[in-house]
Amino acid sequence: DTAVSQTPKYLVTQMGNDKSIKCEQNLGHDTMYWYKQDSKKFLKIMFSYNNKELIINETVPNRFSPKSPDKAHLNLHINSLELGDSAVYFCASSPGGSDYGYTFGSGTRLTVV
Amino acid sequence: AQRVTQPEKLLSVFKGAPVELKCNYSYSGSPELFWYVQYSRQRLQLLLRHISRESIKGFTADLNKGETSFHLKKPFAQEEDSAMYYCALASGGGGFKTIFGAGTRLFVKA
Repeated sequence: DTAVSQTPKYLVTQMGNDKSIKCEQNLGHDTMYWYKQDSKKFLKIMFSYNNKELIINETVPNRFSPKSPDKAHLNLHINSLELGDSAVYFCASSPGGSDYGYTFGSGTRLTVV
Repeated sequence: AQRVTQPEKLLSVFKGAPVELKCNYSYSGSPELFWYVQYSRQRLQLLLRHISRESIKGFTADLNKGETSFHLKKPFAQEEDSAMYYCALASGGGGFKTIFGAGTRLFVKA
């Protein structure tokens, strides 16, 4: 029974396409996050949502649009994909704020060709 | 500004040797510090929270506010400890942002 699940695990697409990554958590957590892990394994926060409300938008291009239909889901839609968007995207959740530590999803490896 | 520095990209030790993964932070408030671990082809997992003062899989980490450090230690490394380790800092008081260090890859040789 996966706590934080992301789909798809792998995504290969052409430049210019639009794609979505879905994330769901069954932990009853209030807060969800998207992180990007680049080729050097560096993790950078993109967004955080608390009870469906956007709290953090870390200067991410407008092509990235998160959507939280309810507090158990946080999806990420990416328009006009670019080569530089190739990375592993991790979804995470926490009970409240970041003080509690995160539970991560297994990641989505996005490759833009 | 918040910053987390892990000075070693790669740390290689022999099985049974002590291991210390270094982490220094910069933050003006009261930080919450964490260590996360990512085993090969697995998701990131929370290993330790400084506030819990616990030992997980033989690892411990002590917050040293004077030196602004939160080094991860284990007295006797095992091969299964080989993984990527991330030090992370969350602003205390219910903030919604955690900053991660660049990570240290630990390789434990037989």
